[in-house]
Parts: sequence; C-alpha cells; structure tokens
Amino acid sequence: DGGITQSPKYLFRKEGQNVTLSCEQNLNHDAMYWYRQDPGQGLRLIYYSQIVNDFQKGDIAEGYSVSREKKESFPLTVTSAQKNPTAFYLCASKDEPTNEKLFFGSGTQLSVL
Amino acid sequence: GENVEQHPSTLSVQEGDSAVIKCTYSDSASNYFPWYKQELGKRPQLIIDIRSNVGEKKDQRIAVTLNKTAKHFSLHITETQPEDSAVYFCAAMGGGYSTLTFGKGTMLLVSP
Repeated sequence: DGGITQSPKYLFRKEGQNVTLSCEQNLNHDAMYWYRQDPGQGLRLIYYSQIVNDFQKGDIAEGYSVSREKKESFPLTVTSAQKNPTAFYLCASKDEPTNEKLFFGSGTQLSVL
Repeated sequence: GENVEQHPSTLSVQEGDSAVIKCTYSDSASNYFPWYKQELGKRPQLIIDIRSNVGEKKDQRIAVTLNKTAKHFSLHITETQPEDSAVYFCAAMGGGYSTLTFGKGTMLLVSP
C-alpha cells in the first residue's frame, strides 16, 4: 500500500517530556512537510525539507525539531519547550519542491497528560 | 509572506442547495490554489485546484473560480449531499520552491 504513514495515531506526553512523531513515505517524494492543526486555526507549517539532510523552519517552528537523514523519513520531535503541544499533526509530501500537489498522511493526535 | 483569509467559518445548507466558500490571498506572486476536504479525524484530500492562468475549473458538482485582479478565489458545490459535510480548506502557493499557506477552514454541514 503506497503512501504516507504516520505513527502513532494517538500519543500522550507528560510534562517535560520530548516525544517523536514518525512519518514515512514510499512515494519516492523529495519534499516533506509537517503541519499542526488546531480547531479553527487551519493548518500551520512547522518544518519542511526539500532534500535529504536539509530542512527549513516554517511559521511555528519554536519548540519543535526535525531530521531528514533518509529520503523516506521525516520525524518530528515535540520538545519540552513546546508549552502547548496538544494538536493534530499532519505530515505531507510532494514529489519535488516545485511540484504543486501535496499528499497528506493520516495524522497523529498528540495530547498532554 | 502569504496570508490566506477564508469565509465563512461555518456554513449550513439543505441537501440539494449550493454552497460557496470564498478565500482571499495577499501575495500577487501566488499562482496555485488548491482546495482540500477533510472529514472528521481524517487526512485532508485534494478535491480540486486551479492555476493562475485559468479563471475557472469544473469537476462534476465542484467548481473553482479565480479572480487574480481582486486576489480571491471561490469553491462552488452544487446539488449538495450529506456526504459533502466536512471541513474545506483553501490554500495558496507561489512559484518556485514555495510552500502552501492554508486558510482556517470552513465547516460545511449539509442537512438531509
């Protein structure tokens, strides 16, 4: 089954804890993105990567970190510095940065205990 | 950077009516405008898109119009059905190595 896989579907974070959200794609896409979705706020860009070993901050990068060591993987770490992490996190990809069509994973709901 | 405003935030219609959702954008260099549909707890799915060299595009009951001069674009859904109920997002993207900027979404409720 080709596509973008996010795991876990649900994740709980304790105060002061770092958690990592997984995003894997088998579409051979170059560009990958992380969006945060809050009710009534739309989708806001956290980080993106246009090529392996390179990534850029989006609009709301504070309290988050990413890595892009492999083309197919773009994990997002929510650090303890992110004081309001409860949200639905969506990973997305497209086959090259200049291409337009963005494909989304099924999302991870992160909640704070 | 780009800013996308979307209205209304909620829209309730009766089955069979038409629904219109409107978006405005700020960056005149933006040239790609997609619309996504997101059902509750699901991923956003691309339903239609339009490029700046086209004024209108249709796909069955869905159409999108673009006014570059006024910097606004709209989604039109005709003969709405209960399964059209979802949150709809508009977005805009400039040329080159750009990212999509999304509107805040419109929750569409179609009542039988």
